[in-house]
Amino acid sequence: KAGVTQTPRYLIKTRGQQVTLSCSPISGHRSVSWYQQTPGQGLQFLFEYFSETQRNKGNFPGRFSGRQFSNSRSEMNVSTLELGDSALYLCASSLGGQGREKLFFGSGTQLSVL
Amino acid sequence: AQSVTQLGSHVSVSEGALVLLRCNYSSSVPPYLFWYVQYPNQGLQLLLKYTTGATLVKGINGFEAEFKKSETSFHLTKPSAHMSDAAEYFCAVSALNNDMRFGAGTRLTVKP
Repeated sequence: KAGVTQTPRYLIKTRGQQVTLSCSPISGHRSVSWYQQTPGQGLQFLFEYFSETQRNKGNFPGRFSGRQFSNSRSEMNVSTLELGDSALYLCASSLGGQGREKLFFGSGTQLSVL
Repeated sequence: AQSVTQLGSHVSVSEGALVLLRCNYSSSVPPYLFWYVQYPNQGLQLLLKYTTGATLVKGINGFEAEFKKSETSFHLTKPSAHMSDAAEYFCAVSALNNDMRFGAGTRLTVKP
């Protein structure tokens, strides 16, 4: 069974641009969560989608948004990029995402904002 | 909301020595607790988890953790470190129907 796939692997953008990251969960998984990872901060929770609905949201500004499609694939969008948005963005999937389940992580998208 | 604190951003041990990575949690409801490991240029992998039942949880690669409610702790241990254990380790907490929250991580270095 294929794992969680994130594309692209690397991105370089400039301030003010927008970016879209993609995540394909493990087949059969309906929950997709997004995390921002930066050195010293660990993983900061962005949001979780389940069956195309945002179920939980972290403390990030409205520039960060996401969506989930009927096939459970998810996209995350960041508008008006700032230097501080440079980070590794990780996507994780699980069957039901009810807090008790193991998360399966992708290898992440490394975003650099210049 | 739940949260975790990992004590020590960097831990260095000699090969063959005891590994102890500390994690304290905060949760208003019975927590589910997890340890994940991240090797360079990879995503996170689950080491072990505690949901209910036995408080001593055994995971992969010889790691184990003990849930201590009175101390709100879930420390990760391994009796004898191996070079391949060098990685970053994350403690995480969640509650039913809630998202999973991670600590800041502890980077483990193993010296030969």
